[in-house]
Amino acid sequence: GESVGLHLPTLSVQEGDNSIINCAYSNSASDYFIWYKQESGKGPQFIIDIRSNMDKRQGQRVTVLLNKTVKHLSLQIAATQPGDSAVYFCGTQGGSEKLVFGKGTKLTVNP
Amino acid sequence: DTAVSQTPKYLVTQMGNDKSIKCEQNLGHDTMYWYKQDSKKFLKIMFSYNNKELIINETVPNRFSPKSPDKAHLNLHINSLELGDSAVYFCASSLLLNPGRLETQYFGPGTRLLVL
Repeated sequence: GESVGLHLPTLSVQEGDNSIINCAYSNSASDYFIWYKQESGKGPQFIIDIRSNMDKRQGQRVTVLLNKTVKHLSLQIAATQPGDSAVYFCGTQGGSEKLVFGKGTKLTVNP
Repeated sequence: DTAVSQTPKYLVTQMGNDKSIKCEQNLGHDTMYWYKQDSKKFLKIMFSYNNKELIINETVPNRFSPKSPDKAHLNLHINSLELGDSAVYFCASSLLLNPGRLETQYFGPGTRLLVL
């Protein structure tokens, strides 16, 4: 079956630093990977996704890296801001239609 | 101009009651989902509908029954509520989900259900 985990449940960074949130997955058939941000009291919000034919994709201040060899996914946030404080979820999809989410990493940005 | 909306936002009820949560999306999407998020923030899919047809039905008690009157709405009815049903329930929608195709899901704000 599919399982998705995160290396750290919490991450605390200083404002202006770069943040890296990691995710490991188990299903070799996973071919779509996605990151969501969930602020307190709100629903998950799409950040960035990547397909298995790529190993890197960049958005605005965010970069997703995919290492299929070790089944590892990471989200990098450049120049982290207080507004980035949230819980970040990775998700994978492959073989079935359903999206499987990891447990979430809570990012706290200290001013 | 809310994309995915849910009502109510908060729901407090007694054990044994029956309750419904409503979801509407105005994105023109064909696929809608219900997720449950527990107290540890773990987000798990419950159901998915494509154009009013059930396509994903995870291991969910029969007390949970989704209903899709049209492709813009997916409601969740819960019978005989139990303490363990307390959670945040999220509705989501995406473009038509076909096998082998992957579409970004857009989430609603959630319904916080507390069963006493």
